[in-house]
Amino acid sequence: DGGITQSPKYLFRKEGQNVTLSCEQNLNHDAMYWYRQDPGQGLRLIYYSQIVNDFQKGDIAEGYSVSREKKESFPLTVTSGPAQKNPTAFYLCASRSGAGGTDTQYFGPGTRLTVL
Amino acid sequence: AQSVTQLDSHVSVSEGTPVLLRCNYSSSYSPSLFWYVQHPNKGLQLLLKYTSAATLVKGINGFEAEFKKSETSFHLTKPSAHMSDAAEYFCVVSDLPNKYIFGTGTRLKVLA
Repeated sequence: DGGITQSPKYLFRKEGQNVTLSCEQNLNHDAMYWYRQDPGQGLRLIYYSQIVNDFQKGDIAEGYSVSREKKESFPLTVTSGPAQKNPTAFYLCASRSGAGGTDTQYFGPGTRLTVL
Repeated sequence: AQSVTQLDSHVSVSEGTPVLLRCNYSSSYSPSLFWYVQHPNKGLQLLLKYTSAATLVKGINGFEAEFKKSETSFHLTKPSAHMSDAAEYFCVVSDLPNKYIFGTGTRLKVLA
C-alpha cells in the first residue's frame, strides 16, 4: 500500500525542547516537502528536497532544520530558541510525482504540534 | 509572480444542490493548477489537476473544474452536494519548479 506516513499524529513540546517530526514515503518520489498550516493562512513552505543529501529553504525556514539521508525519509526538526516564534501548528509532509517541478504533490496525514 | 485567490472563505449549500467554489489565479507562465480537499485534522487529498491539456478537468467524487485563461479562473463545481463533501478546499497554482502557491481555503458546509 503506497503512500506517505507521518508520525506522531499529535506532539506536545515544552518550551526549550527540540522535537523531530517523521515523514516517510514508499512512492519512490525524489522530491519531498514540508509545509506548515495555520488557520486561515493556507500552507507555507518550510523546506524541500529534490534529491538525497540536498535540501533548500522555503519561505519560513527559520527555526527549523531537515535532513535527507535516504530517499524515503525527510524528517523535520523544530528547534527551540529565538528564531522560532510560535511553532504550534499543523505540519504536512508531501512528495512530488514526476520529474517536472510543477507536478502533483501527494500529502501525508499531518502532525499537530502544540507547544506548552 | 504567481498568486491565487479563493474568493469565498465559507460556502454553505443544501444537500443535493450544486456546489461552486471560486478560484482566481495570477501567473506569468503556463501554470499547473490543482484542487485539494482536506477533512478536519487530515492531510490534503488531490481532487483534480490542470496541466494545459483539456480545459475542463474531471476529478474524483464528481467534482470538475474549468480552466478559463481569459478570466484567469479555475472554479471547482459539483452538480449535487453530498454530506460527505463538507470539508475545506484549497486551490493551488504552480508555474515555477517547486513553487506551489496555496489559496487560503474555502470551507464548504452542506446542510441536510
